[in-house]
Amino acid sequence: DTGVSQDPRHKITKRGQNVTFRCDPISEHNRLYWYRQTLGQGPEFLTYFQNEAQLEKSRLLSDRFSAERPKGSFSTLEIQRTEQGDSAMYLCASSFVGGPNEQFFGPGTRLTVL
Amino acid sequence: AQKITQTQPGMFVQEKEAVTLDCTYDTSDPSYGLFWYKQPSSGEMIFLIYQGSYDQQNATEGRYSLNFQKARKSANLVISASQLGDSAMYFCAMREGIQGGSEKLVFGKGTKLTVNP
Repeated sequence: DTGVSQDPRHKITKRGQNVTFRCDPISEHNRLYWYRQTLGQGPEFLTYFQNEAQLEKSRLLSDRFSAERPKGSFSTLEIQRTEQGDSAMYLCASSFVGGPNEQFFGPGTRLTVL
Repeated sequence: AQKITQTQPGMFVQEKEAVTLDCTYDTSDPSYGLFWYKQPSSGEMIFLIYQGSYDQQNATEGRYSLNFQKARKSANLVISASQLGDSAMYFCAMREGIQGGSEKLVFGKGTKLTVNP
């Protein structure tokens, strides 16, 4: 399968714990995006990388959130001191510069904070 | 202000009939792109169709077509010959500054389509 993959698919954690999600983009894609989707809403942009550089961040990305893409391939999204309001689906997408305009999405990681 | 508005929370259509899902957008940028994605209950966002603001013709992809009315700022999705597998959430999205601007997609709240047999 050569699509975008995300791990884990589901995560249940207790309030105050740290969690980390991983995204592997389509192999030739140099752009990688993170979105968050809460129940009944469309996805909301969090951040994006071109290669290893983080080029855009949303105000939604509070100090408790950090994203990395150290070698320009996979990316991690970490949430520290989770809160119940962090419960959502975290979606990763990828695309490549000069390619089609669409972003290709992964299956998402569903986070539940108890 | 909402950048993408989808006014239909839910729509129903009979199998084999056509259905139109509404989307209006708000931007002052002359260069933008409009997208439609499908999200089945499994959660993955599936790209359907793209329309650039400078495209002269309405986009079509198989059974999907985009009714682009620039002056009205609308980009409605038309699905012809509906199939049971078309039942899903449908999201309209916009990217502003398509030629070198922001990379983020801004999504609407979605429309839940149910196809009845």
